[in-house]
Amino acid sequence: AQKVTQAQTEISVVEKEDVTLDCVYETRDTTYYLFWYKQPPSGELVFLIRRNSFDEQNEISGRYSWNFQKSTSSFNFTITASQVVDSAVYFCALSGWGSSNTGKLIFGQGTTLQVKP
Amino acid sequence: ETGVTQSPTHLIKTRGQQVTLRCSSQSGHNTVSWYQQALGQGPQFIFQYYREEENGRGNFPPRFSGLQFPNYSSELNVNALELDDSALYLCASRLAGGRNEQFFGPGTRLTVL
Repeated sequence: AQKVTQAQTEISVVEKEDVTLDCVYETRDTTYYLFWYKQPPSGELVFLIRRNSFDEQNEISGRYSWNFQKSTSSFNFTITASQVVDSAVYFCALSGWGSSNTGKLIFGQGTTLQVKP
Repeated sequence: ETGVTQSPTHLIKTRGQQVTLRCSSQSGHNTVSWYQQALGQGPQFIFQYYREEENGRGNFPPRFSGLQFPNYSSELNVNALELDDSALYLCASRLAGGRNEQFFGPGTRLTVL
């Protein structure tokens, strides 16, 4: 069975601190996709990144970076120099490969990030 | 703005009633998925439609059903509403065979009394 675990329920930091959100996944598939989404109070899920299972290169986008380690089944997300606008719920998600599987996202429970001024 | 719209924004129903939620996909997207997000939880996959046919289903009973239309808009229907159906319902569209990036709408908040 596929499963995504985000062990951190809530994290609170002060602005400009770095913060890492953890994500651990389980799957028997050899090929799969991993995602991060942001959900602000408005409710809409905002796509942040997609990573496929055969690309373990870390990725950086501005203040955001992602560390994918297949050996530990982890896909962690780091925000550098956090800002108040980063306050939201962040979800890690997993999907299978192939047309009928890629639309089915398995989400973690989410991590609520609060950035205080 | 993802280009995915949902209606209505909020809805209140009573137990046993039926409800229809609507989603308009992003232009050019031929696949839509529906998710249920209970308060404080991650979204759970309900089902997916591709070219007007159901193409994958999560662990939801048959009283959850859907439709996708030729213009790729879609509906989620829930019969015999139960209190536990109270949730945020999200639809997401994507282009099958594309980059597999799902774009979510703002959701419909359903409250069952």
